[in-house]
Amino acid sequence: AQSVTQPDIHITVSEGASLELRCNYSYGATPYLFWYVQSPGQGLQLLLKYFSGDTLVQGIKGFEAEFKRSQSSFNLRKPSVHWSDAAEYFCAVGAPGGYNKLIFGAGTRLAVHP
Amino acid sequence: GAVVSQHPSWVICKSGTSVKIECRSLDFQATTMFWYRQFPKQSLMLMATSNEGSKATYEQGVEKDKFLINHASLTLSTLTVTSAHPEDSSFYICSALGGTGVTRGYTFGSGTRLTVV
Repeated sequence: AQSVTQPDIHITVSEGASLELRCNYSYGATPYLFWYVQSPGQGLQLLLKYFSGDTLVQGIKGFEAEFKRSQSSFNLRKPSVHWSDAAEYFCAVGAPGGYNKLIFGAGTRLAVHP
Repeated sequence: GAVVSQHPSWVICKSGTSVKIECRSLDFQATTMFWYRQFPKQSLMLMATSNEGSKATYEQGVEKDKFLINHASLTLSTLTVTSAHPEDSSFYICSALGGTGVTRGYTFGSGTRLTVV
């Protein structure tokens, strides 16, 4: 069955520290991969996406993610976290070959200490 | 960039009444729209996929008679929660698929907080 796992429900980092949010997926083929951010009571904003090609993807707000086929992972990273990055982060997968429905992970809530 | 307007942002209704939520793509045409439900501190669960001019496809376990979805135009989809009950209280989010080539992608609305009392 298709699924997305975000092992970390909650992460706390200090401002200026580096960040890595984990995402593992189970899919028959390499799916389309997405990372979204959600602020409280708001919709989702796309940070970055991967379809094919270069496995290191650059996104907005200084985020990047690396696709590792051997590990079925698509981890999100940021070298230096800002207080404004505190939010909920969702990894999502979609069927390859087109834009189809997305399956979301459970989300990781990021808290940033000053 | 692409913008999706979702209205209302919050609504309180009495048990047994119906509530309509609108999702509009403001600057692009959305052939496909998705409706999600999100419980507090949980992930988004897809409820249904709607294509303009055709019946929505509901996910397993979602009552199509309770959650009526209409996608009558390329810029508007509506979700009507019929005979709402307290257990229908949730955060509902729509997503519109639009654009072509490198601009193609999903754009999410800002969500609707539904409280049934």
